[in-house]
Amino acid sequence: QVQLQESGPGLVKPSETLSLTCAVSGYSITGGSYWGWIRQPPGKGLEWIGSMYHSGSTFYNPSLQSRVTISVDTSKKQFSLKLSSVTAADTAVYYCARQLGRYSGTYYVGWFDPWGQGILVTVSS
Amino acid sequence: EIVMTQSPATLSVSPGERVTLSCRASQSVSSNLAWYQQKPGQAPRLLIYGVSTRATGIPARFNGSGSGTEFTLTISSLQSEDFAVYYCQQYDNWPLTFGGGTKVEIK
Repeated sequence: QVQLQESGPGLVKPSETLSLTCAVSGYSITGGSYWGWIRQPPGKGLEWIGSMYHSGSTFYNPSLQSRVTISVDTSKKQFSLKLSSVTAADTAVYYCARQLGRYSGTYYVGWFDPWGQGILVTVSS
Repeated sequence: EIVMTQSPATLSVSPGERVTLSCRASQSVSSNLAWYQQKPGQAPRLLIYGVSTRATGIPARFNGSGSGTEFTLTISSLQSEDFAVYYCQQYDNWPLTFGGGTKVEIK
């Protein structure tokens, strides 16, 4: 079955760039699905960060768009998240997930299934 | 941005009871709504998409209904493993947004 696994530093200094990777197994990363990142601050709700297709097509949450880059490495069967200029407000559990759905105009929209186990990233000096 | 509001924030329920969770959208999302279950320390798990289609392996006691701006997740007979936080998510419009969650706790 599809499995996703996040990896990356658990501690990032303020103003630096958060970098995470999601490894995909059990399903081809070029298999027709989008791939997304979602985060959850401790004790709070879920926030969609962005999604991408293996072709490089990406959609970002406008609230984070200026700081986010999502990319894919199909040869390594993984996709990545970079979030620049982080602050304490970016402290959260970061999840990667497969996105299923459809195009709504020029945007791809849908639900997430399955999710990776998540990785806690703390922004602190 | 479509704002998703879930109510109540917390629900205290006894095992075996029927549970109804509500999710309201700030504007119509048609039938483009999903529900997730999250247990402590775990990632969210997809329960339902398209308002009422259960994801693979989800028990029949979970049922979704609604359309437009008002949606409901019903658990027909709460089992011990169902105590968790439940989130709704709209995917009618971009950006994708989630509700704040409803915690179902043991009474």
